[in-house]
Amino acid sequence: DAKTTQPTSMDCAEGRAANLPCNHSTISGNEYVYWYRQIHSQGPQYIIHGLKNNETNEMASLIITEDRKSSTLILPHATLRDTAVYYCAPLNQFYFGTGTSLTVIP
Amino acid sequence: EAGVTQFPSHSVIEKGQTVTLRCDPISGHDNLYWYRRVMGKEIKFLLHFVKESKQDESGMPNNRFLAERTGGTYSTLKVQPAELEDSGVYFCASSQGRGSGYTFGSGTRLTVV
Repeated sequence: DAKTTQPTSMDCAEGRAANLPCNHSTISGNEYVYWYRQIHSQGPQYIIHGLKNNETNEMASLIITEDRKSSTLILPHATLRDTAVYYCAPLNQFYFGTGTSLTVIP
Repeated sequence: EAGVTQFPSHSVIEKGQTVTLRCDPISGHDNLYWYRRVMGKEIKFLLHFVKESKQDESGMPNNRFLAERTGGTYSTLKVQPAELEDSGVYFCASSQGRGSGYTFGSGTRLTVV
């Protein structure tokens, strides 16, 4: 099974960029990489997705390596409300993994 | 646009009882997914509907779980009989198609006592 690997937890100072890495070395060529986050006990919230090119939207930026084996989600100016568990998921395979618990520190 | 709606938000039942969870996807979304998160563990895929058809049910844990999607609209997930290890949060998500982000519901927290 293709799996993802993410750090269990990370801290980030408020106002600084949060860079969340994900390894997805067995992702297949046509699988998108999706990022979601779950704040407390709410349902997962879509953030961004990409296939090969880097992507940016109002929430975040996504950097995908050329070999597509890893990606980095960037929250450019983290706020306290960004504290959540962030999941990298190749959703064609419906696998979420355990995610990274990001804590934004005042 | 209304989001994905799940009912009930919480359910507490006794072991051996039956519970039915309901999910109303975003109107027009053909794809509907069920996931669950048991205590302390990762979110795991259960199954995927495309309209009324089960596209992939490889994540269903056993035959005590039955999912249906009548007419390709809302979906139900029935657990019968419920066991203690079924406790967790059950999420539903919908999407328009491949390459689209999923929209998740707020989940149903199931507690089996």
